[in-house]
Amino acid sequence: GDSVTQMEGPVTLSEEAFLTINCTYTATGYPSLFWYVQYPGEGLQLLLKATKADDKGSNKGFEATYRKETTSFHLEKGSVQVSDSAVYFCALIGGSYIPTFGRGTSLIVHP
Amino acid sequence: NAGVTQTPKFRILKIGQSMTLQCTQDMNHNYMYWYRQDPGMGLKLIYYSVGAGITDKGEVPNGYNVSRSTTEDFPLRLELAAPSQTSVYFCASSYDRGLIHEQFFGPGTRLTVL
Repeated sequence: GDSVTQMEGPVTLSEEAFLTINCTYTATGYPSLFWYVQYPGEGLQLLLKATKADDKGSNKGFEATYRKETTSFHLEKGSVQVSDSAVYFCALIGGSYIPTFGRGTSLIVHP
Repeated sequence: NAGVTQTPKFRILKIGQSMTLQCTQDMNHNYMYWYRQDPGMGLKLIYYSVGAGITDKGEVPNGYNVSRSTTEDFPLRLELAAPSQTSVYFCASSYDRGLIHEQFFGPGTRLTVL
């Protein structure tokens, strides 16, 4: 079946540092890929998405590129802020229309 | 649009009690989902629905039931609460637009079973 593997957290950074959160997946066919963010005490919300190979999703300074050759969708941001502290989930949806989520990566940004 | 709303926000149950977690969406989405989130464990799918009158089991359906009589509502029923059901429950909805299927989440219900 489909699966998503994310790097374990927490990831702890200083403000303005560069962020990478790794995500790799296993799926048949050509899934759509997503990053969701969960702020403390809230539900998940979509951060960015990509629907085909080499697509780059971007939002709020975050970017991720759909790499079919390496089955990866790594999340990056050039300069993180304290307000980016949250839990980030990588996810995919394939042909079954049932989403598969990674376990989440906690990001802590210090001033 | 209010999006996806869930009630209650918090609830404490005693073992063996029953309750219904309410979920409503006003976006006319055909797909709806219930997840539970345990600390450090990500999301686990409990039940999902592809439209009114159609429901199916997810990864962890035992101890839960659902119904979908309307497009808007997708309540989750716990019949005999157990401590293992202590968790945060999220409802989500999505629409069928090719393979995009981004999900919209409610704010969650934090349930404690003592």
